[in-house]
Amino acid sequence: NAGVTQTPKFQVLKTGQSMTLQCAQDMNHEYMSWYRQDPGMGLRLIHYSVGAGITDQGEVPNGYNVSRSTTEDFPLRLLSAAPSQTSVYFCASRPPANTEAFFGQGTRLTVV
Amino acid sequence: AQTVTQSQPEMSVQEAETVTLSCTYDTSESDYYLFWYKQPPSRQMILVIRQEAYKQQNATENRFSVNFQKAAKSFSLKISDSQLGDAAMYFCAYRSARGTSGTYKYIFGTGTRLKVLA
Repeated sequence: NAGVTQTPKFQVLKTGQSMTLQCAQDMNHEYMSWYRQDPGMGLRLIHYSVGAGITDQGEVPNGYNVSRSTTEDFPLRLLSAAPSQTSVYFCASRPPANTEAFFGQGTRLTVV
Repeated sequence: AQTVTQSQPEMSVQEAETVTLSCTYDTSESDYYLFWYKQPPSRQMILVIRQEAYKQQNATENRFSVNFQKAAKSFSLKISDSQLGDAAMYFCAYRSARGTSGTYKYIFGTGTRLKVLA
């Protein structure tokens, strides 16, 4: 059981480049979320999804897009990377009735 | 809006001793969940302990226990017999019991870095 898998683990981008952070879960969880972790800020919610075809904005959605075409996958897209998006990104999933969120191992993104 | 506050950016404890990490929160809801997550250098977020607000009994998981004071909106984590492997960043988190339109959001504190001294 792989749980929540994020790729890549590390990435360096130049300002203005685009990329997609991948997140996949094999637990058939309906709820999936993306967070960013910055020093002194805790984890902040970027976007979330309550099921395939349904997404919504979190606390800090600007500069990020998401889609949820399948239950398993929830990619996070940066259309034009900015240095302010340098952070560690976490994907999490959870079934509706469960209280515990399962996290991926994170992606450390640096935008130069 | 709900908030979670961890006022201790960093704590240290001697191996085998006991340490308490503080967390306070603000909410107008009466039913919710509180969590402590551990994040070691591997970055993996690991659930340490969970507390349902409707339960008066404090949750306990082996060496980890909480002091849940609902009226004071306080949720501290006590680690007994600290071990070197306990060194990590610890996050306190809040989650509503009921979401609007089927949605649930976690709200995290800023974290407390725990150092365990040999």
